[in-house]
Amino acid sequence: DSGVTQTPKHLITATGQRVTLRCSPRSGDLSVYWYQQSLDQGLQFLIQYYNGEERAKGNILERFSAQQFPDLHSELNLSSLELGDSALYFCASSVAGGVIDEQFFGPGTRLTVL
Amino acid sequence: AQSVTQPDIHITVSEGASLELRCNYSYGATPYLFWYVQSPGQGLQLLLKYFSGDTLVQGIKGFEAEFKRSQSSFNLRKPSVHWSDAAEYFCAVVGGSYIPTFGRGTSLIVHP
Repeated sequence: DSGVTQTPKHLITATGQRVTLRCSPRSGDLSVYWYQQSLDQGLQFLIQYYNGEERAKGNILERFSAQQFPDLHSELNLSSLELGDSALYFCASSVAGGVIDEQFFGPGTRLTVL
Repeated sequence: AQSVTQPDIHITVSEGASLELRCNYSYGATPYLFWYVQSPGQGLQLLLKYFSGDTLVQGIKGFEAEFKRSQSSFNLRKPSVHWSDAAEYFCAVVGGSYIPTFGRGTSLIVHP
């Protein structure tokens, strides 16, 4: 158990819908990272937040957005969902803000878009 | 732009045998290099990382990796594989943008 929690574990929804994925980092960690893992694209870095501020941005679609709240939990919002958005979404956290810092991964949220 | 290639999609070894998983990267300078392991139904766990200095890096679970600048490689090794090592292994590179790029992964199958 990495100490990073993600909810829900599974999510099934329809095309065009909007969903919110939630992540609680390890106690004391200030950075949160979001990743997408799919068969087509592999594992891709989406976005990083450090202490509430966006720190780094990867291959995140405009339909996707994220934020980190004052209590340091983070949410990833996915809207206008398409079939291709079906994937495993991981959250990770680290103590400091550098991407080279050790990241601790949550168990993921499996999103299925029908 | 940086990229990572893991040439082997699957590797099968017998328990107790040695293991080497290959990773080649493309980047204009020396990047930061990582190996992660993902067990079924789990998130990724960091095995080891290379930033600078000694090119042979020791990690957790008895793994090591060697950075070879001339070959743009960062291969992962273990002298004796255990059945519990069966998992997916990912190599990752981080360059100047501080955005990680992952390889497609190598699935390790361990025969008893």
